[in-house]
Amino acid sequence: SQQGEEDPQALSIQEGENATMNCSYKTSINNLQWYRQNSGRGLVHLILIRSNEREKHSGRLRVTLDTSKKSSSLLITASRAADTASYFCASNDYKLSFGAGTTVTVRA
Amino acid sequence: GAGVSQSPRYKVAKRGQDVALRCDPISGHVSLFWYQQALGQGPEFLTYFQNEAQLDKSGLPSDRFFAERPEGSVSTLKIQRTQQEDSAVYLCASSLEPATNEKLFFGSGTQLSVL
Repeated sequence: SQQGEEDPQALSIQEGENATMNCSYKTSINNLQWYRQNSGRGLVHLILIRSNEREKHSGRLRVTLDTSKKSSSLLITASRAADTASYFCASNDYKLSFGAGTTVTVRA
Repeated sequence: GAGVSQSPRYKVAKRGQDVALRCDPISGHVSLFWYQQALGQGPEFLTYFQNEAQLDKSGLPSDRFFAERPEGSVSTLKIQRTQQEDSAVYLCASSLEPATNEKLFFGSGTQLSVL
């Protein structure tokens, strides 16, 4: 069963705009991770946030975590066409449980 | 190797046929995972190996699915008597440390289509 659920399911933005997607999860976690998947490719790890952290940055990515609401958000700033992909949150124990993903399309 | 390698990239099978999917993890990685990703969905855990030991096979959907990693490196996922519902992308991932969900490296997957 899937632990996380991303929202929205799909997002279309103009190049240069920011993209925000959310993830809600069900059980308590040690960490939460975000992955990117380009069409027809494997998953690439983007960022990991631990349960005792509230916010984390990596380049143009900003992740927040609210354990009281069991939710996380991923913000991509100044989006580029290359950011077009599906984004997944994943958590749980060693066997990661993924949500269904948010498909992001960045229009040139 | 430079990354996790999976073969074949694409596999078309007739219903009832047996298939074998191969995963070459990053050299020295202790942990190896198999995931199944249906179209439009996120990956779902199938099974986990720590070296050659299959420590968790709770995600395998039926006894038609079998995985092995006999020498603690290359792994094979075998599906017997394939059914249409087995059509999916099968992803392999490896990590250096045991029993961790951190620093997983994924292969590009094998897309299985059962006709």
